[in-house]
Amino acid sequence: NAGVTQTPKFQVLKTGQSMTLQCAQDMNHNSMYWYRQDPGMGLRLIYYSASEGTTDKGEVPNGYNVSRLNKREFSLRLESAAPSQTSVYFCASTDAGTTYYEQYFGPGTRLTVT
Amino acid sequence: EDQVTQSPEALRLQEGESSSLNCSYTVSGLRGLFWYRQDPGKGPEFLFTLYSAGEEKEKERLKATLTKKESFLHITAPKPEDSATYLCAVQAGGSYIPTFGRGTSLIVHP
Repeated sequence: NAGVTQTPKFQVLKTGQSMTLQCAQDMNHNSMYWYRQDPGMGLRLIYYSASEGTTDKGEVPNGYNVSRLNKREFSLRLESAAPSQTSVYFCASTDAGTTYYEQYFGPGTRLTVT
Repeated sequence: EDQVTQSPEALRLQEGESSSLNCSYTVSGLRGLFWYRQDPGKGPEFLFTLYSAGEEKEKERLKATLTKKESFLHITAPKPEDSATYLCAVQAGGSYIPTFGRGTSLIVHP
């Protein structure tokens, strides 16, 4: 049971380049999330997917797009990277429903935009 | 707007010196309060869920408690391996989005 996996682990981009961060979970969870974590700012939600086929904006969606490819996979795309997007990105999943459950996080992707 | 405030921001303890971390919250209709541990360079790892005031949960040297306004994470006789950042999050009824605090960075010196 791998839990939540993310690729790549590290990435360096130049301003204006694009890339996609991949996330997959094998826990049959309904909901998936993308966060960024910056020093002093805590975890900030970028986008989430409450269930397969739906996506919604979080607190800081500008400059990002997402795709819920299937129940297992949720990708985050940066179309034109900016230095302000230098951060650590975490994907998380949870079995949301009528009861509120904990989130399970991936190991993170450390992105630097120069 | 849901808010979560964790204190202190940083805490240094000697091995064996017990202490508590605080998570105060304002949320409309609390449905769950979560504690996570995050080691440097890793993703947060789930520790506890608390659903109602008066509830307590324990795991090894950690004990989490919940009131209507705050939660405490008590650390009894900590060891250096307890060093990590501890995150608190709350979830309101009807929302898929938890609200996270900024965390408490704990360092336990041998």
